Amino acid sequence: AQSVTQLGSHVSVSEGALVLLRCNYSSSVPPYLFWYVQYPNQGLQLLLKYTTGATLVKGINGFEAEFKKSETSFHLTKPSAHMSDAAEYFCAVSYSGNTGKLIFGQGTTLQVKP
Amino acid sequence: DSGVTQTPKHLITATGQRVTLRCSPRSGDLSVYWYQQSLDQGLQFLIQYYNGEERAKGNILERFSAQQFPDLHSELNLSSLELGDSALYFCASSVVGVNTEAFFGQGTRLTVV
Repeated sequence: AQSVTQLGSHVSVSEGALVLLRCNYSSSVPPYLFWYVQYPNQGLQLLLKYTTGATLVKGINGFEAEFKKSETSFHLTKPSAHMSDAAEYFCAVSYSGNTGKLIFGQGTTLQVKP
Repeated sequence: DSGVTQTPKHLITATGQRVTLRCSPRSGDLSVYWYQQSLDQGLQFLIQYYNGEERAKGNILERFSAQQFPDLHSELNLSSLELGDSALYFCASSVVGVNTEAFFGQGTRLTVV
């Protein structure tokens, strides 16, 4: 079965430090990959997505992610954390032929310390 | 603002009752998806409609049903509610499926008491 694993339900970094949120997927077919962010009491907002082409994807708010097929990974990074980055982050996949429904990971809560 | 509107924002109801959650997709989006977010199950896909027709079904209970109307708004009906149905229910819309971005509403928080 297709699934998404986010390593670490909580990640804490200091302001200005590197942010690294990990995501691995299991699939026998090439996926489309997404990172969404959820701020408290809000819906999900797309940060970035990988469909085809360049494996390093840049998104909003300075985030980027790299698709590594050999590692079945799509880790999210940001060079320097801001306090405003504190939120919950979800990795998700969809697949050609599955109508666009998203399969989500369990989410990672990012805490940014001053 | 994603352009997806969900009403109501909060709903408190008793066990055994029935509720209807409403979603208005972004203008021009034909696909509507419903997701349930709970602490124990995370974000789970429930059901998708495309231009008025059911397109895909996920982990949706038989007590739950949905429909999409000619004006493309969608309703999720939850009946015989149980305490475990308490969750945040999201609607998302997209132009078409697969690799296009899905825009999420702010959700309806359902509390069953």
